[in-house]
Amino acid sequence: GQQVMQIPQYQHVQEGEDFTTYCNSSTTLSNIQWYKQRPGGHPVFLIQLVKSGEVKKQKRLTFQFGEAKKNSSLHITATQTTDVGTYFCAGRASGGYQKVTFGIGTKLQVIP
Amino acid sequence: EAGVVQSPRYKIIEKKQPVAFWCNPISGHNTLYWYRQNLGQGPELLIRYENEEAVDDSQLPKDRFSAERLKGVDSTLKIQPAELGDSAVYLCASSLGVRTEQFFGPGTRLTVL
Repeated sequence: GQQVMQIPQYQHVQEGEDFTTYCNSSTTLSNIQWYKQRPGGHPVFLIQLVKSGEVKKQKRLTFQFGEAKKNSSLHITATQTTDVGTYFCAGRASGGYQKVTFGIGTKLQVIP
Repeated sequence: EAGVVQSPRYKIIEKKQPVAFWCNPISGHNTLYWYRQNLGQGPELLIRYENEEAVDDSQLPKDRFSAERLKGVDSTLKIQPAELGDSAVYLCASSLGVRTEQFFGPGTRLTVL
């Protein structure tokens, strides 16, 4: 079945440093979504990427979808303490049930 | 606009007991998901509904888990009997359609003793 791998699993950064998490799917995706989950909270939608090679920006966050639609990345520039949380990618399969599979997540800690 | 509502927020039961979770999605959202999230893991899809039809229940352990979505609105997820390994957070999410963003509820944290 479809597998979505996400690395790294944990990342500690000094406030002001950049951060990147990577997501790789075993199969071609129809789209990929990114979610953020604060400690003790529930996942909150950040963005959806649909097109091959798509790049979207939200303030300090940059999201990319690979040309083959099998990988994606989230890059945060100049991290802040408010960026603390776990970032999940969720890949939607291109056929069948169009099943959504979440990655294991990258837990980001920002040291003030 | 109210978000996805789930109850209870916490549940502690002994193994072999039954338990049920309830979810009220955002009004107008046709697609409803039940996920299980273990500590340190991503949400794992258990079942997805399109209106009242379960279109993907391939990950639902059908020997002990059941779900229903009557009239295509509220949904319940039941475990009977519960096992120690069922301890997790059970998340409900809804969306306008299968290709759109999902809105998650606060989850039900289940502890099986």
